[in-house]
Amino acid sequence: GAVVSQHPSWVICKSGTSVKIECRSLDFQATTMFWYRQFPKQSLMLMATSNEGSKATYEQGVEKDKFLINHASLTLSTLTVTSAHPEDSSFYICSARAQAASLTAAFFGQGTRLTVV
Amino acid sequence: DAKTTQPPSMDCAEGRAANLPCNHSTISGNEYVYWYRQIHSQGPQYIIHGLKNNETNEMASLIITEDRKSSTLILPHATLRDTAVYYCIVRSPGGGADGLTFGKGTHLIIQP
Repeated sequence: GAVVSQHPSWVICKSGTSVKIECRSLDFQATTMFWYRQFPKQSLMLMATSNEGSKATYEQGVEKDKFLINHASLTLSTLTVTSAHPEDSSFYICSARAQAASLTAAFFGQGTRLTVV
Repeated sequence: DAKTTQPPSMDCAEGRAANLPCNHSTISGNEYVYWYRQIHSQGPQYIIHGLKNNETNEMASLIITEDRKSSTLILPHATLRDTAVYYCIVRSPGGGADGLTFGKGTHLIIQP
Protein backbone atom coordinates (compact mmCIF):
# COMPACT_ATOMS: atom_id res chain seq x y z
CA GLY A 1 0.00 0.00 0.00
CA ALA A 2 0.85 3.66 -0.17
CA VAL A 3 3.21 5.11 2.43
CA VAL A 4 2.41 8.03 4.69
CA SER A 5 5.22 9.27 6.89
CA GLN A 6 4.60 11.30 10.02
CA HIS A 7 7.27 13.15 11.97
CA PRO A 8 8.14 13.26 14.78
CA SER A 9 6.90 9.99 16.23
CA TRP A 10 6.95 11.47 19.70
CA VAL A 11 7.58 14.89 21.23
CA ILE A 12 7.65 16.36 24.72
CA CYS A 13 7.15 20.10 25.03
CA LYS A 14 6.67 22.65 27.74
CA SER A 15 3.30 24.18 28.38
CA GLY A 16 2.80 27.33 26.34
CA THR A 17 5.09 26.37 23.49
CA SER A 18 4.09 25.32 19.97
CA VAL A 19 4.73 22.01 18.27
CA LYS A 20 4.67 21.22 14.56
CA ILE A 21 3.86 17.76 13.22
CA GLU A 22 4.54 16.86 9.59
CA CYS A 23 2.65 14.40 7.43
CA ARG A 24 4.05 13.35 4.07
CA SER A 25 2.71 11.07 1.36
CA LEU A 26 5.87 9.41 0.09
CA ASP A 27 4.80 7.66 -3.10
CA PHE A 28 1.60 9.34 -4.16
CA GLN A 29 0.01 12.75 -4.37
CA ALA A 30 -2.65 13.57 -1.84
CA THR A 31 -5.07 16.38 -2.49
CA THR A 32 -6.73 15.64 0.82
CA MET A 33 -5.16 14.83 4.15
CA PHE A 34 -6.90 14.26 7.44
CA TRP A 35 -5.83 14.87 11.01
CA TYR A 36 -7.09 12.73 13.89
CA ARG A 37 -6.58 12.77 17.62
CA GLN A 38 -6.76 9.75 19.90
CA PHE A 39 -6.89 9.86 23.68
CA PRO A 40 -5.95 6.78 25.75
CA LYS A 41 -8.38 3.87 25.42
CA GLN A 42 -10.53 5.83 22.97
CA SER A 43 -11.05 5.63 19.25
CA LEU A 44 -9.69 8.05 16.67
CA MET A 45 -11.57 11.33 16.36
CA LEU A 46 -11.35 13.37 13.19
CA MET A 47 -10.07 16.89 13.89
CA ALA A 48 -9.83 18.45 10.46
CA THR A 49 -9.68 17.88 6.74
CA SER A 50 -6.82 19.50 4.88
CA ASN A 51 -7.06 20.29 1.19
CA GLU A 52 -4.02 21.29 -0.83
CA GLY A 53 -3.96 24.99 -1.48
CA SER A 54 -7.01 25.89 0.56
CA LYS A 55 -8.06 26.36 4.15
CA ALA A 56 -8.65 23.33 6.31
CA THR A 57 -12.11 22.31 7.42
CA TYR A 58 -12.35 21.72 11.15
CA GLU A 59 -14.75 19.42 12.98
CA GLN A 60 -17.09 20.88 15.53
CA GLY A 61 -15.35 21.62 18.79
CA VAL A 62 -11.84 21.80 17.32
CA GLU A 63 -10.28 25.25 17.64
CA LYS A 64 -8.81 26.32 14.32
CA ASP A 65 -6.62 28.97 15.92
CA LYS A 66 -5.09 26.43 18.24
CA PHE A 67 -4.56 23.65 15.70
CA LEU A 68 -3.08 25.32 12.64
CA ILE A 69 -3.07 23.21 9.51
CA ASN A 70 -1.09 23.95 6.37
CA HIS A 71 -1.27 21.87 3.20
CA ALA A 72 1.07 23.68 0.87
CA SER A 73 1.85 20.83 -1.50
CA LEU A 74 0.37 17.57 -2.72
CA THR A 75 2.70 15.59 -0.48
CA LEU A 76 2.93 17.59 2.73
CA SER A 77 0.52 18.74 5.42
CA THR A 78 1.52 20.14 8.78
CA LEU A 79 -0.35 20.45 12.06
CA THR A 80 0.88 23.02 14.56
CA VAL A 81 -0.41 22.83 18.10
CA THR A 82 -0.07 26.39 19.36
CA SER A 83 0.34 27.35 23.01
CA ALA A 84 0.13 23.71 24.01
CA HIS A 85 -1.31 22.74 27.37
CA PRO A 86 -1.26 19.41 29.21
CA GLU A 87 -4.80 18.64 28.04
CA ASP A 88 -3.48 18.69 24.45
CA SER A 89 -1.36 15.66 25.26
CA SER A 90 -2.60 12.98 22.90
CA PHE A 91 -1.78 10.73 19.97
CA TYR A 92 -2.08 12.69 16.72
CA ILE A 93 -2.46 10.76 13.47
CA CYS A 94 -2.64 11.92 9.89
CA SER A 95 -3.98 10.11 6.86
CA ALA A 96 -3.90 10.79 3.15
CA ARG A 97 -5.96 9.72 0.19
CA ALA A 98 -4.60 9.47 -3.32
CA GLN A 99 -5.61 12.19 -5.72
CA ALA A 100 -8.96 11.69 -7.45
CA ALA A 101 -9.30 8.22 -5.97
CA SER A 102 -12.26 8.31 -3.64
CA LEU A 103 -12.73 4.57 -3.81
CA THR A 104 -9.30 3.71 -2.57
CA ALA A 105 -8.39 3.36 1.04
CA ALA A 106 -6.93 6.16 3.08
CA PHE A 107 -3.46 5.42 4.42
CA PHE A 108 -2.26 6.51 7.81
CA GLY A 109 0.94 7.81 9.29
CA GLN A 110 2.50 6.11 12.27
CA GLY A 111 1.21 8.78 14.64
CA THR A 112 2.83 11.36 16.91
CA ARG A 113 2.68 11.03 20.67
CA LEU A 114 2.55 14.56 22.11
CA THR A 115 3.21 15.06 25.80
CA VAL A 116 2.88 18.57 27.20
CA VAL A 117 4.53 19.09 30.59
CA ASP B 1 -22.05 6.61 6.26
CA ALA B 2 -23.86 3.61 7.69
CA LYS B 3 -23.31 2.63 11.32
CA THR B 4 -21.44 -0.57 12.16
CA THR B 5 -21.58 -2.85 15.19
CA GLN B 6 -18.67 -5.01 16.31
CA PRO B 7 -18.04 -7.11 19.42
CA PRO B 8 -15.76 -5.21 21.81
CA SER B 9 -13.24 -8.01 22.16
CA MET B 10 -12.33 -11.49 20.95
CA ASP B 11 -9.70 -14.07 21.71
CA CYS B 12 -8.13 -16.44 19.21
CA ALA B 13 -5.43 -19.07 19.54
CA GLU B 14 -2.22 -18.52 17.63
CA GLY B 15 -2.21 -20.39 14.33
CA ARG B 16 -5.98 -20.60 14.12
CA ALA B 17 -8.23 -18.55 11.89
CA ALA B 18 -9.58 -15.39 13.47
CA ASN B 19 -13.08 -14.48 12.31
CA LEU B 20 -14.16 -10.94 13.14
CA PRO B 21 -17.82 -10.10 12.55
CA CYS B 22 -19.34 -6.75 11.69
CA ASN B 23 -22.99 -5.79 11.37
CA HIS B 24 -23.96 -2.99 9.01
CA SER B 25 -27.68 -3.52 8.55
CA THR B 26 -28.32 0.02 7.28
CA ILE B 27 -25.71 -0.14 4.52
CA SER B 28 -26.86 1.38 1.26
CA GLY B 29 -26.30 0.06 -2.23
CA ASN B 30 -23.21 2.06 -3.10
CA GLU B 31 -21.43 1.82 0.25
CA TYR B 32 -18.25 -0.18 0.62
CA VAL B 33 -17.05 -2.08 3.68
CA TYR B 34 -13.51 -1.23 4.81
CA TRP B 35 -11.42 -2.89 7.47
CA TYR B 36 -8.52 -1.29 9.30
CA ARG B 37 -6.55 -2.37 12.32
CA GLN B 38 -4.56 -0.45 14.87
CA ILE B 39 -1.72 -2.06 16.72
CA HIS B 40 -1.00 -0.40 20.02
CA SER B 41 0.59 3.07 19.68
CA GLN B 42 0.63 2.95 15.88
CA GLY B 43 -1.48 4.53 13.16
CA PRO B 44 -4.29 2.45 11.64
CA GLN B 45 -3.33 0.02 8.91
CA TYR B 46 -5.55 -0.64 5.91
CA ILE B 47 -6.46 -4.31 5.55
CA ILE B 48 -9.08 -4.82 2.88
CA HIS B 49 -12.31 -3.46 1.43
CA GLY B 50 -15.21 -4.73 -0.66
CA LEU B 51 -18.63 -3.94 -2.08
CA LYS B 52 -20.51 -7.21 -2.41
CA ASN B 53 -18.16 -9.88 -3.65
CA ASN B 54 -15.82 -11.69 -1.32
CA GLU B 55 -12.30 -10.31 -1.40
CA THR B 56 -8.93 -11.77 -0.51
CA ASN B 57 -5.47 -10.28 -0.29
CA GLU B 58 -2.19 -11.19 1.35
CA MET B 59 -3.43 -10.09 4.75
CA ALA B 60 -7.00 -11.32 5.02
CA SER B 61 -10.26 -12.36 3.43
CA LEU B 62 -13.49 -10.41 3.53
CA ILE B 63 -16.78 -12.26 3.37
CA ILE B 64 -19.86 -10.11 2.77
CA THR B 65 -23.31 -11.67 3.13
CA GLU B 66 -25.59 -11.68 0.14
CA ASP B 67 -27.88 -9.06 1.69
CA ARG B 68 -24.76 -7.02 2.61
CA LYS B 69 -26.03 -6.45 6.12
CA SER B 70 -23.00 -8.06 7.70
CA SER B 71 -19.46 -9.09 6.93
CA THR B 72 -16.64 -11.14 8.40
CA LEU B 73 -12.94 -10.43 8.29
CA ILE B 74 -10.88 -13.60 8.32
CA LEU B 75 -7.24 -13.77 9.32
CA PRO B 76 -6.43 -17.30 8.15
CA HIS B 77 -3.50 -18.11 10.44
CA ALA B 78 -3.39 -15.63 13.30
CA THR B 79 -0.06 -14.74 14.86
CA LEU B 80 0.75 -12.83 18.03
CA ARG B 81 1.47 -9.78 15.86
CA ASP B 82 -2.17 -9.74 14.78
CA THR B 83 -3.20 -8.59 18.26
CA ALA B 84 -4.79 -5.21 17.57
CA VAL B 85 -8.05 -3.26 17.49
CA TYR B 86 -9.91 -4.01 14.25
CA TYR B 87 -12.26 -1.42 12.81
CA CYS B 88 -15.05 -2.10 10.33
CA ILE B 89 -16.09 1.08 8.48
CA VAL B 90 -18.77 1.59 5.87
CA ARG B 91 -18.54 4.48 3.45
CA SER B 92 -19.76 5.59 0.07
CA PRO B 93 -17.53 6.38 -2.91
CA GLY B 94 -18.65 9.98 -2.73
CA GLY B 95 -17.28 10.17 0.77
CA GLY B 96 -13.72 10.21 -0.51
CA ALA B 97 -13.29 13.78 0.63
CA ASP B 98 -14.47 12.98 4.14
CA GLY B 99 -12.51 11.59 7.02
CA LEU B 100 -13.27 8.14 8.35
CA THR B 101 -15.58 7.65 11.30
CA PHE B 102 -14.07 5.14 13.68
CA GLY B 103 -16.24 3.23 16.11
CA LYS B 104 -14.86 1.33 19.07
CA GLY B 105 -13.77 -1.66 17.00
CA THR B 106 -12.95 -5.17 18.17
CA HIS B 107 -9.91 -5.76 20.33
CA LEU B 108 -8.54 -9.05 19.01
CA ILE B 109 -6.16 -10.81 21.36
CA ILE B 110 -4.14 -13.68 19.94
CA GLN B 111 -3.24 -16.16 22.64
CA PRO B 112 -0.01 -18.20 22.44
